[in-house]
Amino acid sequence: GAVVSQHPSWVICKSGTSVKIECRSLDFQATTMFWYRQFPKQSLMLMATSNEGSKATYEQGVEKDKFLINHASLTLSTLTVTSAHPEDSSFYICSAGRGAGLTYEQYFGPGTRLTVT
Amino acid sequence: SQQGEEDPQALSIQEGENATMNCSYKTSINNLQWYRQNSGRGLVHLILIRSNEREKHSGRLRVTLDTSKKSSSLLITASRAADTASYFCAPSNDYKLSFGAGTTVTVRA
Repeated sequence: GAVVSQHPSWVICKSGTSVKIECRSLDFQATTMFWYRQFPKQSLMLMATSNEGSKATYEQGVEKDKFLINHASLTLSTLTVTSAHPEDSSFYICSAGRGAGLTYEQYFGPGTRLTVT
Repeated sequence: SQQGEEDPQALSIQEGENATMNCSYKTSINNLQWYRQNSGRGLVHLILIRSNEREKHSGRLRVTLDTSKKSSSLLITASRAADTASYFCAPSNDYKLSFGAGTTVTVRA
């Protein structure tokens, strides 16, 4: 149990275009999902918290108009990188939360490698 | 959220040996989770230890938690080449996780 998928696993796009990444919790419902980005040989950086049925909460320094997040259902959150530029090239990873309090856990997707040319 | 800090940054061991890495954090937690990341992949959830637990086992993994010292350790016994990865701890006292630099473990054949 607790499987999270992401699609696509990798994508190459041209500068100025938009890219949508999907994150799905396959066998559980997640009221909260999270989006991270990771640069080579660095740790994960939390970008935003995605709440089902409400607006996402962005971390400081993350442009909400550039990284559009939609959490339309309890099993799906999407991240759209708008007007992508080469500096947006990165590894994007989502996670989905399950449980509460002492038993709260996050399960991560396999990641999406974005390359902007 | 608060960040866990892993130590050491890197660890190189021979296949069959044990690997131990530590995690320190700063404030009270509900639980602490350990993850593994293979190069270019997502994070794999290894084990969760609750704040009211002191030790937990899962296969070849043993995790300890000392809330008085605000520290945790992950022990991998009888390491294999497939254990080569980066390991991250994630202390949690709310719903957000914040990650440190991790411990990079290399298991030599």
